[in-house]
Order: sequence, then structure tokens, then C-alpha cells
Amino acid sequence: QVKLVESGGGMVSPGGSLRLSCAASGFTLTDYYMSWIRQAPGKRLEWISYINGTGKSIYYADSVKGRFTISRDTVKKSLYLQMNSLRSDDTAVYFCARGGMTKLDWFDSWGQGTLVTVSP
Amino acid sequence: EIVMTQSPATLSLSPGERATLSCRASQSVGSNLAWYQRKPGQAPRLLIYDTSTRAAGIPARFSGSGSGTEFTLTISSLQSEDFAVYYCQQYNYYYTFGQGTKLEIK
Repeated sequence: QVKLVESGGGMVSPGGSLRLSCAASGFTLTDYYMSWIRQAPGKRLEWISYINGTGKSIYYADSVKGRFTISRDTVKKSLYLQMNSLRSDDTAVYFCARGGMTKLDWFDSWGQGTLVTVSP
Repeated sequence: EIVMTQSPATLSLSPGERATLSCRASQSVGSNLAWYQRKPGQAPRLLIYDTSTRAAGIPARFSGSGSGTEFTLTISSLQSEDFAVYYCQQYNYYYTFGQGTKLEIK
């Protein structure tokens, strides 16, 4: 059974950093595109980053480029999102999600999400 | 960026009624369109992918149609558990989501 569990959210001051984790089970992390998606209060879902199966293709939305870094640890079966220079508009629930095997595709599995609050 | 626009923002219907939700893309996304259901405190759940293919375990009352820039999610006969927020998503060029349609009990 595919399962994704996020952790690492919390409250942080503007300019601070957080590292989110997503523990994956029931499938092989390196077989899929994996993404981070967020939803700010009252806003639509926003895809922010992906890493492909080989790890050689990584992409970021403009809103987080240069501040966020996606990575993974295949031994720990985990996906990560290092978030630096956080701003108030980064406040959101952050989800990890599984995409396609060979290309960008729909997200067939999502975690429950972890809340990040950026506030003075 | 491909902008996805859903309508209506809120749909008020009764159990047993038919629900029709719309999604429009600012440019063609082919058939690369998915629909998700989200309930409070839960992860989004994939309902439909490739415009009209139901995901595993999704009841037959959910169906999708359309192509290019105009798409529709239809729920043939609403059950109590169907009242939720629905999002469309394109994956033709990276990923963007619609703003959601809230399906509420009338």
C-alpha cells in the first residue's frame, strides 16, 4: 500500500528556515517523479517542485526558486524540502505527492500535509 | 503559465441530484487533465486522470469529459460522502490547479 507521511512543519519567523520530510512506503522512490505542492489559506493548490526518478531532473516554481531545495534519500526512503529565506506568503499546508514514472503526470498518492506558518 | 479556471465556485445540490463541474484552461492541455476531491483535514484524492479515466477504486458515478480547453466532471447521483471541494489540474506543461469548486449540501 502506497503511503506518504509529511513532517517537519511548524512556526518560523520571516527569514528563517525549515526542512520538511516525506516518508514514502509501498513503492520505490526512484521509480517516480515526486513533487511538493502547497496550499495557502483560501488559495488554490500550488505545485512548487519536483524531482524525477533518476534525480537528474529537478524543477522549481518561480515563487520558490533560489530559496527552496528538493532532495531525497533513497536509503531512508524519504523526500525532503529545504526551505530558506521564508516569507509570510510561504505560510501554507505542504503536501508531498507521487507523480508519473516516466513523465509529469497526475498525482495518484498524496500525504496528509504539514502546516508551515511564517510569522514574526 | 497555464491558468485553470473552475466554475461555479460553489454548487449547492441535494443527495441524489446530478452535479456538473466545469474547468477551463487558458490554452490547450490536450487530454492531460485530472480531477481531485478534497475534504477538510484530508489529503486530496485522485478521481479522474487523462480527462476521463477513473482512478482505482473510484465509483462509476464519477465521470470526466472534454478536451483542449474545456473539461467537465460529472457526478451522476450525489451521495452524502461526495460533498467536498473539487480541483482540476493540468499536467500538459508542468502543473497548475484550478481554484476549486465547493460542492455543498442544499
